[in-house]
Amino acid sequence: GAVVSQHPSWVICKSGTSVKIECRSLDFQATTMFWYRQFPKQSLMLMATSNEGSKATYEQGVEKDKFLINHASLTLSTLTVTSAHPEDSSFYICSARKDRANTEAFFGQGTRLTVV
Amino acid sequence: AQTVTQSQPEMSVQEAETVTLSCTYDTSENNYYLFWYKQPPSRQMILVIRQEAYKQQNATENRFSVNFQKAAKSFSLKISDSQLGDTAMYFCAFMNFLGGGADGLTFGKGTHLIIQP
Repeated sequence: GAVVSQHPSWVICKSGTSVKIECRSLDFQATTMFWYRQFPKQSLMLMATSNEGSKATYEQGVEKDKFLINHASLTLSTLTVTSAHPEDSSFYICSARKDRANTEAFFGQGTRLTVV
Repeated sequence: AQTVTQSQPEMSVQEAETVTLSCTYDTSENNYYLFWYKQPPSRQMILVIRQEAYKQQNATENRFSVNFQKAAKSFSLKISDSQLGDTAMYFCAFMNFLGGGADGLTFGKGTHLIIQP
């Protein structure tokens, strides 16, 4: 099977600091990764599409300067929440596809971010 | 832009019963895919079933099947012989397939399914 791993599973950070979340495809190369945000008891909202070797494409309303995405290799994408505030507290989930033509997305286990 | 609507916030059925979760969507595109995902308390997203819009035949995966009505933009999930392990949030999702490539997923708000023993 295809495994996607997120790290950390949960993180607590102080307001004003930055935190990095990693998304790794363990047994396949992922040219495309996606980042989602899920508020408590709500749906997943697509934040951005990350393509290896190019800039991420952000969804409308997502601040690209606050949520920095880097997809420097075929197995790793990172999401950095900069100058975090309590309203950034959420559950962040990544997914990966082997390539753009592949419709099956493999999800990481998610990262719970709490900003205090 | 596309939207996905799940009108049942919560459903509860007895074990072994059959349950149907509803989903409607809106899009102007012709080439797309529809999915049902399960999210148990662990929060890990699990693919339940997938339907290609260009296929008229309804997808089935063991106890899970869909009723895909393209003209009505309806995509319901039927779970037969429900089991306690089916208790979870179920999300309906839409994906465009444009220019030979797949976009990210647009999710509905979810239905919390509870299977009672």
